[in-house]
Amino acid sequence: AQSVTQLGSHVSVSEGALVLLRCNYSSSVPPYLFWYVQYPNQGLQLLLKYTSAATLVKGINGFEAEFKKSETSFHLTKPSAHMSDAAEYFCAVSGDTDKLIFGTGTRLQVFP
Amino acid sequence: NAGVMQNPRHLVRRRGQEARLRCSPMKGHSHVYWYRQLPEEGLKFMVYLQKENIIDESGMPKERFSAEFPKEGPSILRIQQVVRGDSAAYFCASSPPTGWDYGYTFGSGTRLTVV
Repeated sequence: AQSVTQLGSHVSVSEGALVLLRCNYSSSVPPYLFWYVQYPNQGLQLLLKYTSAATLVKGINGFEAEFKKSETSFHLTKPSAHMSDAAEYFCAVSGDTDKLIFGTGTRLQVFP
Repeated sequence: NAGVMQNPRHLVRRRGQEARLRCSPMKGHSHVYWYRQLPEEGLKFMVYLQKENIIDESGMPKERFSAEFPKEGPSILRIQQVVRGDSAAYFCASSPPTGWDYGYTFGSGTRLTVV
């Protein structure tokens, strides 16, 4: 069965600092991987996705993620944090029967 | 081009009442998924439907919960005889039948409060 582990339920960075949100996956088949962002009291918005093309994936708002099969990882990064990046971030892996399996989320705080 | 529409946005029910949550997928999307988000937790898969068919309901509680996606109209998630533990945000997502290249589009959710 597929699963996702997000290391760190809370991450705090200063404005302008590097953002690194960690995601490790488990899958018995080649996975499709996704990062979503959720702002307070809103739905989830797709940031980026890996669908077996390039291993370095660029998304919206300056985020990117690198698929590393040897490490079963799909960490999300952004070179310079902005106050507007404060939100909850979810990593997800494709599961059986077309459903997405989500991690428990990482809440990102950005300090001025 | 409207996105995934969920209504109501907020729903308050007394214990023992029924809750009906509606989801209209994006135009051209024939796959609908329901997820539940409890406070401080991630999203838990509940059910996956296509028109008039339940494809995967492995995440649905065995009792009181049901879902449908009729030929016409929105998908409905129904919770009978609600209890306080049902208080959560319920999200609907939709996708086209073209595999993983697209991913899901989520609605804004229905926040259910049971009092």
